[in-house]
This record gives sequence, C-alpha cells and structure tokens, in this order.
Amino acid sequence: EVQLVQSGGNLVQPGGSLRVSCAASGFTFNTYNMNWVRQAPGKGLEWVSYISGSGGTIFYADSVKGRFTISRDNAKNSLYLLMNSLRAEDTAVYYCAREHPVVPAALDYWGQGTLVTVSS
Amino acid sequence: QSVLTQPPSVSGAPGQRVTISCTGSSSNIGAGYDVHWYQQLPGTAPKLLIFGNTNRPSGVPDRFSGSKSGTSASLAITGLQAEDEADYSCQSYDSTLSAYVFGTGTKVTVL
Repeated sequence: EVQLVQSGGNLVQPGGSLRVSCAASGFTFNTYNMNWVRQAPGKGLEWVSYISGSGGTIFYADSVKGRFTISRDNAKNSLYLLMNSLRAEDTAVYYCAREHPVVPAALDYWGQGTLVTVSS
Repeated sequence: QSVLTQPPSVSGAPGQRVTISCTGSSSNIGAGYDVHWYQQLPGTAPKLLIFGNTNRPSGVPDRFSGSKSGTSASLAITGLQAEDEADYSCQSYDSTLSAYVFGTGTKVTVL
C-alpha cells in the first residue's frame, strides 16, 4: 500500500525557517517524481515545487523561488521542503504528492498534510 | 490568482447530473496539456479523480467523467450522491508560467 506520511508542521515567526518532511512507503520511491502543494486556509490548491526521481531536476513556483528548497533522500525514501524567509502568506497546509508514473502532473497519491503557520 | 477558472459552487438533488467547468487559455489547456481533477472531502487531502482528461483511477466510480475541448475542460457527476459533497479542483500545466496550475475550486452541494 502506497503511503506518504508527513511531519514537521509548526508555528514559526515571520522571517523564520522550517523544514517539513514526507516519508514514503509501498512503492519504489526513487523512480517517482514528487511534488509539494499547499492550501491556504479557506483557499484553493497551489503547486509549490517539483523534484524528479533522481533529484536532478527541480522546479519552483514563482511565489517561493529563492526562499524554499525541495530535496529528497532516496536511501531514506523521504522528501523534504526547507522553507526560509517565511511570510504570513506562506501559512497553509502543505501536502506532498506523488506524480503518476505515466501521466505528467497527475498527482496520484497525497500525504495527509501538515499545517505551517507563520505568525508573530 | 489562478489561471484556471471554475464556478465557486454547483448543487443538485440526489440522482441528478451536475457539471463543473474549468476554463483556461492558450498557454495551458488550449496548448494541449492534460487536465486532471481532484476531489477533496472536508478536512482531508485531495484525491485524484480523473487524470489525462478522461481517465478514472482504479476505484473511482464511473459516475465521474471528464472531457476537454479547446481551452476548457469539464467534470460531470451523474447520479449525484450525498457522499459526493466535496470540493473539486482541476489542474493542468501552464507553459507561460512553467508551472503546474490548479483551478479556483468548486464546492458541490447535494440538496
């Protein structure tokens, strides 16, 4: 069974940093591209970042470029999102999501979500 | 500000058919990029409902169907059931933004 179990959400002050994690199981992790998607309270979904299976290709949304860093440790079957220079508008539930093996962009499995609150 | 526009809400009685539109542009849906649909029940993570415009993952009832034409796509739910009450979002790729983009989201209410 495919599982994505997230951790690391917290309350952080503006300008601070936080790392959220996503532990994968039930599939061959290093053969799948992974993504982070966020959802601000009461708002729609917003794609944040993409990383290829090998980790060699990475993309970011303009809203987080230069502040967030996506990474993965294939030996540990884990995905990470390091968030620096956090702003109030980064407050959201962050989801990790696996990309469909054949259909680009289709996110076929999601983590349970982790809440990041940026507030003083 | 999403580049894919959906109606904020749609509603229908049990057993009825409802459709949700997803309107894009020539840099996303109109450029030929696939559209995917997600269902999000209250307080839970999104679930892939339709991928590649028309395909249902294993376990998704055939009451759900997707279509795409020009710069728009649609999700249809036939035989509406109480358990279908949820938020639905479309998704595609935008070549101008070089980013995956989601729709504004639609809340489906079963009357």
